[in-house]
Amino acid sequence: ELKVEQNPLFLSMQEGKNYTIYCNYSTTSDRLYWYRQDPGKSLESLFVLLSNGAVKQEGRLMASLDTKARLSTLHITAAVHDLSATYFCAVDSGAGSYQLTFGKGTKLSVIP
Amino acid sequence: DAGITQSPRHKVTETGTPVTLRCHQTENHRYMYWYRQDPGHGLRLIHYSYGVKDTDKGEVSDGYSVSRSKTEDFLLTLESATSSQTSVYFCAITNRAHEQFFGPGTRLTVL
Repeated sequence: ELKVEQNPLFLSMQEGKNYTIYCNYSTTSDRLYWYRQDPGKSLESLFVLLSNGAVKQEGRLMASLDTKARLSTLHITAAVHDLSATYFCAVDSGAGSYQLTFGKGTKLSVIP
Repeated sequence: DAGITQSPRHKVTETGTPVTLRCHQTENHRYMYWYRQDPGHGLRLIHYSYGVKDTDKGEVSDGYSVSRSKTEDFLLTLESATSSQTSVYFCAITNRAHEQFFGPGTRLTVL
C-alpha cells in the first residue's frame, strides 16, 4: 500500500525567508504532483514531475523529484504573504489510470 | 479549470436518503475521478473511470457507487447516506499531458 508523508504539516514563516516542504513516499513511482489549496477552494495544479531528476519552477516555487530516494521537495524562495495556503503532494500509485495518493498537506502561513 | 463542473455545489440531506452528485466535463477526457476531502486526511480516492462504462474502486469506495454512461458525465451515488459521508467531494480529470485537474467541489452534509 502506497503511503505519502509530508513534512512539516504546519509551517509559519516570515516574508522574505526560504523554506522547503518534503514529500516522502513508500513505493516506486515516476509521477508526482503538487497542488495548492486556498481555504474553501478547490485544488490548483502547481507541478507535475514525470521522471527522476525532474525540476520545475514557477515564480517563487520550485519542485524536484528523486525517485530513487522516493522524495520530492517544494522549495519556497523569498516567501510572500500571497503564498499562504495548504500545499499537497500526490503520488501516482502505478496501478494504472493515474490513481493518486495524497499527503495530508502542509499548511503554510507567511507572516509579514 | 479544464472545463469541469460539479452539481450540486452544496447539499444537506438526512441519514438514509439516497444522494447523487454529478461531475460534468467538456473536453472529452478519458479518465475521471471522485475524491473526498476530510480534515486531517488530505484527499482520498473513492472511485475512478477509465472510459464509458469502465469504472473501478478506489481507497474508500464502501457506501458509494458510480456510473459513467457518457464520456462527459461521471455520477457518484450514496445509496443510503450516513453522517460519516459528510465531506467535501471533488471530481477530477486527467488529460493527455498526465495532469490531473479538479472541479470546484461539492459540500455534502448528512444530518
